[in-house]
Amino acid sequence: DQQVKQNSPSLSVQEGRISILNCDYTNSMFDYFLWYKKYPAEGPTFLISISSIKDKNEDGRFTVFLNKSAKHLSLHIVPSQPGDSAVYFCAAWYTSGTYKYIFGTGTRLKVLA
Amino acid sequence: DAGITQSPRYKITETGRQVTLMCHQTWSHSYMFWYRQDLGHGLRLIYYSAAADITDKGEVPDGYVVSRSKTENFPLTLESATRSQTSVYFCASSAVAGANDTQYFGPGTRLTVL
Repeated sequence: DQQVKQNSPSLSVQEGRISILNCDYTNSMFDYFLWYKKYPAEGPTFLISISSIKDKNEDGRFTVFLNKSAKHLSLHIVPSQPGDSAVYFCAAWYTSGTYKYIFGTGTRLKVLA
Repeated sequence: DAGITQSPRYKITETGRQVTLMCHQTWSHSYMFWYRQDLGHGLRLIYYSAAADITDKGEVPDGYVVSRSKTENFPLTLESATRSQTSVYFCASSAVAGANDTQYFGPGTRLTVL
């Protein structure tokens, strides 16, 4: 039962254009969402996060949007750069007795020069 | 060097052997985690620890054992390795387990069980 889903395993975008990575979740108890970026042979690194009480958070070229009614979040990268080519994981968090930090399956982004 | 390190980076072993993956962090973070990354599954939590001598199961704990006698170390042991445990293993740490819970990951250990 995949509680956090990234339905697009890969995405290719032209340099300078917008990249949109999507993430869907099923558990309404999640109250914090994060995006991580992972390069080959390295561990994931934190990129941006959003609380469930917000619908948008922006950090430079990266913006995360949250639609709670649709249980959907997206990461926008504008403009996309070749260095953004990586695997992106969304993650969702809540605490209920046991610690819950659930990652999606990842989307491989390739930015074409 | 400061940060979070894992050793070995690569390991090949045989079915039935015991294997220990090491994780060391220099931030004195309270929380430490072990994940495995498999194609189609993303990152799945194996075990986590909230502090020294406090550990708890994650999503996929079967076949693994952890200990945490010191804050900075969190070894993961496969007591009798199986082929299904072939994976990339990531250790992570975080200062807290709250709403702003950013985890810092090590570089990973690629384990192959023959």
